[in-house]
Amino acid sequence: EAGVVQSPRYKIIEKKQPVAFWCNPISGHNTLYWYLQNLGQGPELLIRYENEEAVDDSQLPKDRFSAERLKGVDSTLKIQPAELGDSAVYLCASSLGRIGDTQYFGPGTRLTVL
Amino acid sequence: AQSVTQLGSHVSVSEGALVLLRCNYSSSVPPYLFWYVQYPNQGLLLLLKYTTGATLVKGINGFEAEFKKSETSFHLTKPSAHMSDAAEYFCAVSNGSGGSNYKLTFGKGTLLTVNP
Repeated sequence: EAGVVQSPRYKIIEKKQPVAFWCNPISGHNTLYWYLQNLGQGPELLIRYENEEAVDDSQLPKDRFSAERLKGVDSTLKIQPAELGDSAVYLCASSLGRIGDTQYFGPGTRLTVL
Repeated sequence: AQSVTQLGSHVSVSEGALVLLRCNYSSSVPPYLFWYVQYPNQGLLLLLKYTTGATLVKGINGFEAEFKKSETSFHLTKPSAHMSDAAEYFCAVSNGSGGSNYKLTFGKGTLLTVNP
């Protein structure tokens, strides 16, 4: 069974440019998460989807970040415009969404903003 | 609110020695507890988790952890370290009684190095 797929794996951009990350969750997983992982830190939740609905986006900086999950499968996370402080790893995870279910993580996208 | 403290950002052991990674949590409700491992340039992989039932939980690669409510701890152990265990380990907690129970709160991680 394929795991969580993310692309690109690495992205280098100049500040003020837009950037987008794509995630394909494990088939059948209705819950999808985007996490931000800064260097030397644990992941922090940005947004959680149940099917197409964003049910927890309280930690998403909405002035520059946006996300969508069309048709309840793939998801895209966008930053516009990017700032130097956005350099980090962006992780996508998915789960069946039941209490205590395991979250399965993708390999992440490492963003460098110059 | 939930929080996780991992004591020791870096632990170094010799191959064959006991591995002990410490995790203490804070939660106002019954917690679900997780240990994840992260190898360089990879995502997180679940080692083990505690939800309900037996407090000693066995995971993959010979790791185990014990939930101690009185000590609010969930330390990770392995009797004999292998070189392949070198990685970053994250402890995480979620709310086990409902509400925002899907949200994982992670610790800052412990980097384990294994010396030959």
